Order: sequence, then C-alpha cells, then structure tokens
Amino acid sequence: DSGVTQTPKHLITATGQRVTLRCSPRSGDLSVYWYQQSLDQGLQFLIQYYNGEERAKGNILERFSAQQFPDLHSELNLSSLELGDSALYFCASSEDPFSGNTIYFGEGSWLTVV
Amino acid sequence: DAKTTQPNSMESNEEEPVHLPCNHSTISGTDYIHWYRQLPSQGPEYVIHGLTSNVNNRMASLAIAEDRKSSTLILHRATLRDAAVYYCSLLQGAQKLVFGQGTRLTINP
Repeated sequence: DSGVTQTPKHLITATGQRVTLRCSPRSGDLSVYWYQQSLDQGLQFLIQYYNGEERAKGNILERFSAQQFPDLHSELNLSSLELGDSALYFCASSEDPFSGNTIYFGEGSWLTVV
Repeated sequence: DAKTTQPNSMESNEEEPVHLPCNHSTISGTDYIHWYRQLPSQGPEYVIHGLTSNVNNRMASLAIAEDRKSSTLILHRATLRDAAVYYCSLLQGAQKLVFGQGTRLTINP
C-alpha cells in the first residue's frame, strides 16, 4: 500500500459524458501528479500540482482539467469523453520533488468509455 | 523532453542477478534517474532513484554511468516475484516524471 488513495477504482460511462477522478496523496506530500496509461501510449504524464498550484503540464487534453485543493487532495475532471479516453488513470504524490525523492503511485482508476 | 530507451524484454533465472540497462543520452544535469516496476493492473511501484552516484537499497542497486547517459538497475538475486515491467524514468526539473516504454522481465524457476 503506497498510501495514495484513488477513487473510484472502476467506472464505465458513455461518450460525451463527464467524470471526476479523485486522489488523496500520502500524508505530508505536497506534490500530486496525474498520469494516463493506455495500451498503445504507455504511461503519459498529464499534470503536476505542488501545494495547490499547477507546476507542470504534459500531454493533457483541453477537455481534461485538474485542481489541487487546500487539503491537498486532487481531482482530475474529464469531459466530453471519447472512446479513446478509456485508460487507467494514476495519481502519484511526493513530499519534495525538488530533491528528486520518491514518487508514490496509487492503484489507479480504470475508466471505460462506451 | 529527455527520453529513455530500454530493451523491450529480458529473461533471467531465479536466484541469479539481473542487470536491466537504460539509455538516457539527452539527460539534463538536474534530472534524477528513477526506476519503477509495475505488475498487471497495479500502480507503478518505486524501486530506486539516483542523481550521480551509485545507490543501493533493500530492493536493488542503481549503477549510473560517469557521463550519466546510461544507468543499470541490478537485482542481486531475482525471485519469481520480481517478474514485472521495469521502467527507467527521468524526473525533470522537479516537475514531471517521464517514463520510457519499459522492459518486461521474465524470471524462470
């Protein structure tokens, strides 16, 4: 158990819909990362937050957005869903990315768009 | 983004050492080298990380080339539980962890 909690674990939704994925980082970790893993693209970095502020963006679509709240939990919002958005979405957290230290991953949220 | 290159797959025998190579020729001076492993339907699990010097922990050792353009993850005595996909990745600018395509490690009993 990494200490990073993601909900829901699985969800199935229809094209065009909107979903929210939630992440609670490990206690004390200020940085949160979101990743997408699909069969053909591997692990793709989406976005990083540090203490409530966005620090880095990767290959995140405009239909996707995220935020980190004052209690440090984070949400990833996916809208106007398409079949190709079906993937495993991981949240990860770390205490201090500036010292390059360990990044812990959650178990992921399986999203299936039908 | 700096990129990592790994062999698609490797095979080893139980109780033997395993050396997993990774090339990262475009690494920047401040990029940390991280290794993770992943079992099916699970999140990536941290293995080890380093910047310039070789590193050891209870799971593995990380050997970093002097020019930092390559690194090797060493599992000293592989067990069946070490079978997984191993990712060599770079933590760039303390902002994003960029993963390679990974090496699928098979351990034969």
